[in-house]
Order: sequence, then structure tokens, then C-alpha cells
Amino acid sequence: AQSVTQPDIHITVSEGASLELRCNYSYGATPYLFWYVQSPGQGLQLLLKYFSGDTLVQGIKGFEAEFKRSQSSFNLRKPSVHWSDAAEYFCAVGAGTSGTYKYIFGTGTRLKVLA
Amino acid sequence: ETGVTQSPTHLIKTRGQQVTLRCSSQSGHNTVSWYQQALGQGPQFIFQYYREEENGRGNFPPRFSGLQFPNYSSELNVNALELDDSALYLCASSLGTGRLAGNTIYFGEGSWLTVV
Repeated sequence: AQSVTQPDIHITVSEGASLELRCNYSYGATPYLFWYVQSPGQGLQLLLKYFSGDTLVQGIKGFEAEFKRSQSSFNLRKPSVHWSDAAEYFCAVGAGTSGTYKYIFGTGTRLKVLA
Repeated sequence: ETGVTQSPTHLIKTRGQQVTLRCSSQSGHNTVSWYQQALGQGPQFIFQYYREEENGRGNFPPRFSGLQFPNYSSELNVNALELDDSALYLCASSLGTGRLAGNTIYFGEGSWLTVV
């Protein structure tokens, strides 16, 4: 079955520290992978996406993610976290080869940033 | 800003009532998908509309229904509201329905529904 797992429900980091958020997926075909960020009371903002090609993907706000097929992972990273990065982060896989194309989301990781 | 607009942004309903949520898609997009995001959860796929027809459905009961209009805007209707229907409802528009649609998906800001 298609699924996305985000093992860390909560992560706390100090401002200026590096960040890695984990995402593992289960999908039979070549996945399309996404990371979204959601601030409290807001909708979803796309950070980055992977369709094909270079497995290291650059996104907005200084984020990057690396697709590792052998590990079924698409972890999100940032070298130096800013207080404004505090939010909830969702990993998603695009599912459906034809007909209905939908996202399957993980349960999210809530990031807290200490000043 | 994505160009996908949803209304209303917040509303409160009583258990047993009916609710209609609206979504205007990104210009040129012909596909609308609806997602439910319960508190502390990731969004879950409700259904998708393509060219005014339902084009796939997630694990939601029939009291969740929808419409898509000729201008590709869409409505989500929920009948006989239950307390567990309290959630953020997200609309996403895209061009087409295949894998490449993932390259064009935009989400709206959502409608917060509270059922009391």
C-alpha cells in the first residue's frame, strides 16, 4: 500500500543549528515527492519537489532534500535554522499513474526553534 | 499566493447540519481535489473533480459530495455533520489528472470547519 511515514512528531532545535526532517515512503512506481510547510492557522506552502533527475533538490527558504531510492527516503535539510522556520512540515508522495492523481501525506513533523 | 481561493475561511456549524465550502481554481486549471486535515494530522484525500465529473474518491462516506462547474470552480458539501468533521478543508487545483498534474498542483488556504 502507498504510504508516507514521518517518524518524528516533534523536533526542537536551536536557532542557527542544522535541521534534518525524516520522510520514508512506500510506493510501487517511481515516486513524485514533495515537502510542504504549514504555519499555524495557514494553508500549505510548497517547499520543494522531486520528479526526476538530480536527487538533491533545492527549494525555497534555504531548504533542500535528498531522494534516496535504496532507502525509500526523502529527508529535508537546512544548514542553519531561523526562528521563522517554526511550523509543521509535511512530506507527501504523488500517487496515481493515470486517472486520479492525489497526494498521500505523512502525519507531519512539528518544528520548534529555540532562541 | 497560489491563485486558488476558498470560502468561507472559518465557519461553525451544529451537528446534523449541512455545509457547503467553495473553491475557485487557478486560472487554466481543470481539476480540483479536496482534502480534509484533522487537527494534528496530515491532509487526507476526499475526492477529485475533472471536467465536472467525479474522478476518484478517498475513504469518505457518501455524505461528502461535490460539484465542479463549467468554469472549473468547485463545491464540497457535507451532510449530517458530525463532530469528527471538524477540520481544515483544503482545495487543490491542477491541470489534468495524470502524474504530470503533480507539477501544477496549487493549494488554497483552506476553510476551517468547527462542528459543535
